[in-house]
Order: sequence, then C-alpha cells, then structure tokens
Amino acid sequence: AQTVTQSQPEMSVQEAETVTLSCTYDTSESDYYLFWYKQPPSRQMILVIRQEAYKQQNATENRFSVNFQKAAKSFSLKISDSQLGDAAMYFCASLGAYGGATNKLIFGTGTLLAVQP
Amino acid sequence: GAGVSQTPSNKVTEKGKYVELRCDPISGHTALYWYRQSLGQGPEFLIYFQGTGAADDSGLPNDRFFAVRPEGSVSTLKIQRTERGDSAVYLCASSNDQGSPDTQYFGPGTRLTVL
Repeated sequence: AQTVTQSQPEMSVQEAETVTLSCTYDTSESDYYLFWYKQPPSRQMILVIRQEAYKQQNATENRFSVNFQKAAKSFSLKISDSQLGDAAMYFCASLGAYGGATNKLIFGTGTLLAVQP
Repeated sequence: GAGVSQTPSNKVTEKGKYVELRCDPISGHTALYWYRQSLGQGPEFLIYFQGTGAADDSGLPNDRFFAVRPEGSVSTLKIQRTERGDSAVYLCASSNDQGSPDTQYFGPGTRLTVL
C-alpha cells in the first residue's frame, strides 16, 4: 500500500522569500511518480510539478523545484521568490507507474501556505 | 483547450435523496477518475474508468455510490439515499494514459451538502 505524509499543516513565508514544504511517502511499487498539486480557495487542483522516480535529476518548473531523496522516500517542494498568488493548500501525491488496473493518486493531508506581504 | 468541467458547482440536498454529479473530461482523455475530498483532508480515490469500463471501483464506500461512463467521455457519479456523511467536495480528473500513467488534470469539483 502507498502512503503519503505531510507533517506541516500550515506554513508561512514572506513575499519574495523561499519556503520548503515537506513530504514523505511509502510505496511497494518498483517505479512510481510523485506530484505536488496546488489547491486555491477556488477548489481547482492545479499541477505544480511532477517527478518520475527513475529520474535522478530533480524536477524544476520556474520558481518551483523539488528535492527528491529516493532512499529516504522524501519529496520536498521549494518555492523561490514567493508571490501572493502562491498562497494555497499544497498536496503531495504519489502514483504507481505499473499499478495494475488502477492509476489512482494517493494524497497527503496537505500544507496550507500563507504568503505575507 | 477546455479543461475538465463539473456540474453542478454546488449541490444541496436532503438526507435520503438521490443526487447525480456530472464530469466532462478533457477531450480525447481516455482515463477518468472520481475522488472525494472531505473538509481538511486530501482527496481520496473513488473510481477509475479506462474508456467506458470501470477499471477500479475499490474506493466506492458502499453500494449507494455508483458511477457510469457510457460513451467513454462524460461520467456521472450517482449517490442514492444520501447521508450527512456524504457531504464533501467531489473531484473529477482525467488523463491521457497511453502505456504509462499520465498526469491527472482536475475539475473544479462539486460541493455536496446533505442536510
């Protein structure tokens, strides 16, 4: 069974500063994908970044980057130059690459990020 | 192009009533997913369609919940004899799984409130 743990219910960052959101996971899959999704008050889940576990290089998307530590089963999200629009709930999720009949995402409980002007 | 759409945006119903929630996936996406998100929690998987068939319905909580996707595009989640515990946001997602899993794109969700 796959599990995803986010141990920070809430985080706060000053505008233009850098913040790191933590995520750990557990999986029996030999290959898998990891995701960070952003959910603003509008409820729409927006993909922030995706990492394939077989790739050693950390994924980056503009101001967003991850620190993927496969042995430690850790997948943290770094947001650089934080902007007011980054304020949202952030969910870490895992998905087995060869999960048989299902491709379901397993989500953590989320981290609520506040950005202070 | 258009993203995943869900209707209605909000639904208020009384305990014991029947409700239908609709999801219109991204055009051409073969895979469709339903998730349920309770207050303060992450989404939880309900059911996954590949084309017209339910490939995995292991997340449906009981037999009051049922979903269909008759033509491999639009899907409807149906809840019979609603209970107050069914109150949640129901999210739909679609992806273009061709071989390995692809990124799932979510709709805005339907907030269901059972009084």
